Amino acid sequence: DSGVTQTPKHLITATGQRVTLRCSPRSGDLSVYWYQQSLDQGLQFLIQYYNGEERAKGNILERFSAQQFPDLHSELNLSSLELGDSALYFCASSTWGLRETQYFGPGTRLLVL
Amino acid sequence: AQKVTQAQTEISVVEKEDVTLDCVYETRDTTYYLFWYKQPPSGELVFLIRRNSFDEQNEISGRYSWNFQKSTSSFNFTITASQVVDSAVYFCALSETIIQGAQKLVFGQGTRLTINP
Repeated sequence: DSGVTQTPKHLITATGQRVTLRCSPRSGDLSVYWYQQSLDQGLQFLIQYYNGEERAKGNILERFSAQQFPDLHSELNLSSLELGDSALYFCASSTWGLRETQYFGPGTRLLVL
Repeated sequence: AQKVTQAQTEISVVEKEDVTLDCVYETRDTTYYLFWYKQPPSGELVFLIRRNSFDEQNEISGRYSWNFQKSTSSFNFTITASQVVDSAVYFCALSETIIQGAQKLVFGQGTRLTINP
């Protein structure tokens, strides 16, 4: 158990809908990362937050957004969902956010029908 | 851009055999970190090891060992006396500095390892 929690574990929704994925980092970690794992793209970095502020963006679509709250939990919002958004979404955390090990949560498996 | 290549897509061996998973990376950074993660059938990503680019010593942890060779940009992972529980997808990853104070992990495509009884 990495100490990173993600909810829900599974999510099934329809095209055009909006969903919110939630992540709680390990105790004491200030940095949260979001990754997407799909069959065609592999594991791709989406976005990083540090202590409530966006730190870096990767291959994140404009339909996706994230935030980190004062209690350090983070949410990833996916809107106008398309079939291609079906994937496993991981949250990871680390203490400071640079040159550290990222510990991953169990992931949220999203299926868009 | 940084890149990680795991040329072996799938490996299948019989239990108790030794198996080596290859990882080759490309980076412009002079200081970087390399990682291995394990993804069992249940889907989570489990951290195995982190290696600093300045530390080329090989590392052994039980049946697991890692060989880091900067000269060939490789960070290979060997499982000795494999067991069925080692069956998983293994990812090699490289830390990439995006901007000051921010990094991301660049992952290889993964190697699916199947250990047959």
